Amino acid sequence: KAGVTQTPRYLIKTRGQQVTLSCSPISGHRSVSWYQQTPGQGLQFLFEYFSETQRNKGNFPGRFSGRQFSNSRSEMNVSTLELGDSALYLCASSSGTGTLGQYFGPGTRLTVT
Amino acid sequence: SQKIEQNSEALNIQEGKTATLTCNYTNYSPAYLQWYRQDPGRGPVFLLLIRENEKEKRKERLKVTFDTTLKQSLFHITASQPADSATYLCALANTNAGKSTFGDGTTLTVKP
Repeated sequence: KAGVTQTPRYLIKTRGQQVTLSCSPISGHRSVSWYQQTPGQGLQFLFEYFSETQRNKGNFPGRFSGRQFSNSRSEMNVSTLELGDSALYLCASSSGTGTLGQYFGPGTRLTVT
Repeated sequence: SQKIEQNSEALNIQEGKTATLTCNYTNYSPAYLQWYRQDPGRGPVFLLLIRENEKEKRKERLKVTFDTTLKQSLFHITASQPADSATYLCALANTNAGKSTFGDGTTLTVKP
């Protein structure tokens, strides 16, 4: 099976702009989760989508949003970018039932200047 | 608040020895505990998942134990190799792995 893919891999944006990141999960996986990873905060959970519905949400401001399509592909959007949003954004897919772990993509490296 | 502590930021061992990494947690009753490996610049790779009613799980040279009374998991790599050098992350989840809380990781270096 093909792994989790994320596009783009690298992105440079300016403060105040918005950005959309994309994630294609492993075929058959219905759960897609998004995480932010920074050197200071580690891996922080953003949200999880399951069958097109947001099932869980982390403690991030409303500027961070996402959605999932009927084919399980997911997008994450960050509006009004701040310097502190510079991070590696990781997408992970899983079966959604908890019996197995998550399979991560390579991440999108976002730099906000 | 929920807190996950992984024993040390860095662990150095000699090739062939057993590496033991610790994950302690507080204010949490996880149903699942997972271990991941992460190499620089890459996404984490899932290694093992253990449920709260399981005491131990093995996969090749890897062994995980889960003590819900001590609120601790131990992760062992036997016959370690330089290729095992990486950061190892512990993660906890309640209902499903899709919403996991991660520790900060332990960076393991195996010296030849």
